Amino acid sequence: GAVVSQHPSWVICKSGTSVKIECRSLDFQATTMFWYRQFPKQSLMLMATSNEGSKATYEQGVEKDKFLINHASLTLSTLTVTSAHPEDSSFYICSASLGRGPLRGYGYTFGSGTRLTVV
Amino acid sequence: AQKITQTQPGMFVQEKEAVTLDCTYDTSDPSYGLFWYKQPSSGEMIFLIYQGSYDQQNATEGRYSLNFQKARKSANLVISASQLGDSAMYFCASTGGSQGNLIFGKGTKLSVKP
Repeated sequence: GAVVSQHPSWVICKSGTSVKIECRSLDFQATTMFWYRQFPKQSLMLMATSNEGSKATYEQGVEKDKFLINHASLTLSTLTVTSAHPEDSSFYICSASLGRGPLRGYGYTFGSGTRLTVV
Repeated sequence: AQKITQTQPGMFVQEKEAVTLDCTYDTSDPSYGLFWYKQPSSGEMIFLIYQGSYDQQNATEGRYSLNFQKARKSANLVISASQLGDSAMYFCASTGGSQGNLIFGKGTKLSVKP
């Protein structure tokens, strides 16, 4: 249980275009979704946190207007990279929280990630 | 702020041998959770094992065990009987992020030699 489906797995787009990444919770309601970015050979860095029905909270240094996050329902959160540039090329991964505190590790579940390449 | 330190950028282990991946954490929270994840080249984050700060016993999950030393603030992962498929990045993580998120270490790349 507690599966998050993330699409697309990989995407190549032209510089200046926008790309939308979706994360769907398949068998539970995700009240909170975390969006991470991971550059090659580096760790996961939190970009933003979205809560259903409210505005996302962005980490320092993350451009709100470039990385649009929408969490309109308890089962869907989206990240849109607007006007993408080559430096936005990275691995993006979402993670859903199942509520307060971890429950035998299943308090956090991850999508499979999206590898974005901007050419 | 919570901080996770993994001091081994890369590790090599012979197939069928055991290996320990180091992780230390820094927190002032009385209650916290510690996680280990495996990330193969495909990128997915695979949950391996979890240790709660109040758990009396070290966590074990199959070939994975967590050597939890609370006083030292260390949570090392022990993989027994390494397999070629264990070659991957391994991340130690902790609860305590300001948004309720996990905080990750820099990771250790494990390579299993045949």
